[in-house]
Amino acid sequence: AQSVAQPEDQVNVAEGNPLTVKCTYSVSGNPYLFWYVQYPNRGLQFLLKYITGDNLVKGSYGFEAEFNKSQTSFHLKKPSALVSDSALYFCAVRALFTGGGNKLTFGTGTQLKVEL
Amino acid sequence: DTAVSQTPKYLVTQMGNDKSIKCEQNLGHDTMYWYKQDSKKFLKIMFSYNNKELIINETVPNRFSPKSPDKAHLNLHINSLELGDSAVYFCASSQMGGPGSYEQYFGPGTRLTVT
Repeated sequence: AQSVAQPEDQVNVAEGNPLTVKCTYSVSGNPYLFWYVQYPNRGLQFLLKYITGDNLVKGSYGFEAEFNKSQTSFHLKKPSALVSDSALYFCAVRALFTGGGNKLTFGTGTQLKVEL
Repeated sequence: DTAVSQTPKYLVTQMGNDKSIKCEQNLGHDTMYWYKQDSKKFLKIMFSYNNKELIINETVPNRFSPKSPDKAHLNLHINSLELGDSAVYFCASSQMGGPGSYEQYFGPGTRLTVT
């Protein structure tokens, strides 16, 4: 079974400050990890992924995430937050599903609020 | 051009009715999905089709029946709607295998309200 934990329901940060949204995972075998963002009344938008290679992956809108195998974490980061980054962020994990199927398991989401 | 589109965007109906939601993707992907997002924003996969073949079928009431006429379309039919079916339903697509695979692309969602 695969699972994702996002321990914070909400993260508040001042504009211009660095932000971190936390994610830990559990999966059999190598993890494929993703971050998605959801703006109000919109679908999920893909931000970035870790499949293999460098532990620090860069994605859209200046976001990056660091894969840490020993801590089974994949925290989302941005050096300088913008008010427009305020949204709901989902971490997701995938393992190769026997017989096919890119089954993604999502975390419960973290609401990011960036204030002036 | 919209990559993954869903119709309708909003659907309000009464208990006991039957309704359908349609999804189309123009990304050339071979795999499509249906997800349900509840009022607490929790997102859970329901079904997945690869080249018109059902490959993921989570624990979903059999009132829900997906249909994939071709790999660019995945529809969701719901019979005998119940209050608990009220949610936002998202369609997604991805490519199975290969270097461009893994991430899924989501449609804008269909907000279903059952009264």
